[in-house]
Parts: sequence; C-alpha cells; structure tokens
Amino acid sequence: GENVEQHPSTLSVQEGDSAVIKCTYSDSASNYFPWYKQELGKRPQLIIDIRSNVGEKKDQRIAVTLNKTAKHFSLHITETQPEDSAVYFCAARSTGGGNKLTFGTGTQLKVEL
Amino acid sequence: GAGVSQSPSNKVTEKGKDVELRCDPISGHTALYWYRQSLGQGLEFLIYFQGNSAPDKSGLPSDRFSAERTGGSVSTLTIQRTQQEDSAVYLCASTSMTGPYEQYFGPGTRLTVT
Repeated sequence: GENVEQHPSTLSVQEGDSAVIKCTYSDSASNYFPWYKQELGKRPQLIIDIRSNVGEKKDQRIAVTLNKTAKHFSLHITETQPEDSAVYFCAARSTGGGNKLTFGTGTQLKVEL
Repeated sequence: GAGVSQSPSNKVTEKGKDVELRCDPISGHTALYWYRQSLGQGLEFLIYFQGNSAPDKSGLPSDRFSAERTGGSVSTLTIQRTQQEDSAVYLCASTSMTGPYEQYFGPGTRLTVT
C-alpha cells in the first residue's frame, strides 16, 4: 500500500518568514495530494490540494509543488503569521489501493512573534 | 448542506465496558474513514469503507475494534472491553469518489476510559 513520509515533525519560524514542509510517497499510481491544517482542538481542514497532472498550485500565501518523478510534494507558506500556527498533514490518494487517502505523520508549525 | 456529524461528542466509560461511536457522513459520499488521534499525535488510520467493496480493516489495532457501515451511509465503530490506552479522539471522515476528492472530517468523539 501507499506510504507517506513527512518532514519535519516540528518547525519554528519567525513571523514573516517562509515555511516549507516536505512529503514523499511510495505509490507511483497516486494522483491526488491534499494538505490539511489542524488547529488545536479542531478537526483537520483542507487548505490546498494538487492533482498529478499539475506541477504547482498557489492560493494567496500558500503553494504546493509536486515532483512526480521523485515522488515528493511540498507545502510552502510565505509571509507567515501567528494564525498559521497549527499541525499540517500531507496526504496521497492511491488509485491502486481502492482510492484510499493515506496521511503523513504531521508537522507542528509554530510561528513566533 | 450538512457536514459530517459524530455522536456522542464526548464519552466517558469504565475500563472493560463496550462503547459505540456513530458517524453520519455527508449524503452521497461513498467513502468513509475512521481515524484515532491521541493527544498531540497524528491521524492513526483505523478502517476505510468504499462503496460496496470489502472494507480495508488494516488499521484496526486489535480484535476489540470493529466497524460497520449500514446501507452505505451511517457507520458505527465499536470498541469492546475498553482499555485506558483506547482514550483518544475518534475522527470520522467522508469523501465523494466522483470528485471533488476533498475529505471532510467530523468533529470527533473524545473517548475517555477510566
């Protein structure tokens, strides 16, 4: 089955700096890669996603890049703000595994003033 | 429209008792997942239902855990003979398999085993 690895597990940045979180996946048949943000005490919510036919997608301060050859994808947050502090999860959807979505282990992002 | 709902929101039970947790997915979503999240930890996959296919039970931690999905809609996660290590938030999520593929999470059930 699909295996998703996520790094780093914790990330601390100064307000205004950029943050990058990286994930790798194992199943070359995976075709959908979402990113979820989970604030303390709340449920995970989708912030951005990318499909395998696209290399990059942006939405205001967040962007996701995908390298299918290397089987890795990354989340980029620019001009970080305190409200960006949360746990971020990457995921990959494998068509070979009944379209199951597999999550990474999460990154605790802390944006310091 | 209505999102994913779960009940109860909180459950306190004594060690050794059985518990049932309920998930109502978004109408029309054929895929349903259960996850367990301990405090400060990631999303531990438990079980995945997709349409009429046999469920993927590969994440169930022991035979004390079981789940069913009736009529392709509501799902119930049952934990028998609960142990203190079962204490966690249990999250349910559902997805449309015809797109968009966003997975919508319910608010979770916080289970405390005393």
